[in-house]
Amino acid sequence: DIVMTQSPLSLPVTLGQPASISCRSSQSLVYSDGNTYLNWFQQRPGQSPRRLIYKVSNRDSGVPDRFSGSGSGTDFTLKISRVEAEDVGVYYCMQGIQWPPTFGQGTKVEIK
Amino acid sequence: EVQLMESGGGLVQPGGSLRLSCAASGFTFSTYWMSWIRQAPGKGLEWVANIKQDGSGEFYVDSVKGRFNISRDNAKNSLYLQMNSLRAEDTAVYYCARGYPRSVTAFEYWGQGTLVTVSS
Repeated sequence: DIVMTQSPLSLPVTLGQPASISCRSSQSLVYSDGNTYLNWFQQRPGQSPRRLIYKVSNRDSGVPDRFSGSGSGTDFTLKISRVEAEDVGVYYCMQGIQWPPTFGQGTKVEIK
Repeated sequence: EVQLMESGGGLVQPGGSLRLSCAASGFTFSTYWMSWIRQAPGKGLEWVANIKQDGSGEFYVDSVKGRFNISRDNAKNSLYLQMNSLRAEDTAVYYCARGYPRSVTAFEYWGQGTLVTVSS
């Protein structure tokens, strides 16, 4: 199975400041069709997960543009340009290139 | 509006069985792969199983193979997870999610989840 490793696991951030979460995969996530199947999910306290980003850098509908995804191969990053109170929660990366789909351990974002 | 609503969770003894359901609305159910994903209390996300649009293909995580069975009824816009020989480690919130992992639809919508507790 592909192992997804996130860092940090806990991220205290000041409101209005940027935040960055790293995700590394144990194998390249580039598929034979040329696409990279790396997604990011947000889970706010007490809520279901919600997809934010698909295929590395594509924001889902309704996702604020302060969220951005980047990376390639095995190294990926989710950035929040200016953290707002509603961004508190746990963020997960997920690979879809190989069965089984696997998630990172999660990064808990909290306000300082 | 896409909606997914799980039901059927509850308390069950080890070795017991439970059947989860997921009612879908707001989209053409028969044209999407569907999945079950679970989250143990205080833990991360684990994909459990998924099923092809017409029900002809199924995939499972190793830990549930031979015990769980995913199915769907496209006429009723419903997804199911039959869980047998349940173990304490199956205790989790179970979510249904739409989409195929290796595509732009990968888990793009989730339900609110249903809690399964396996305990004596």
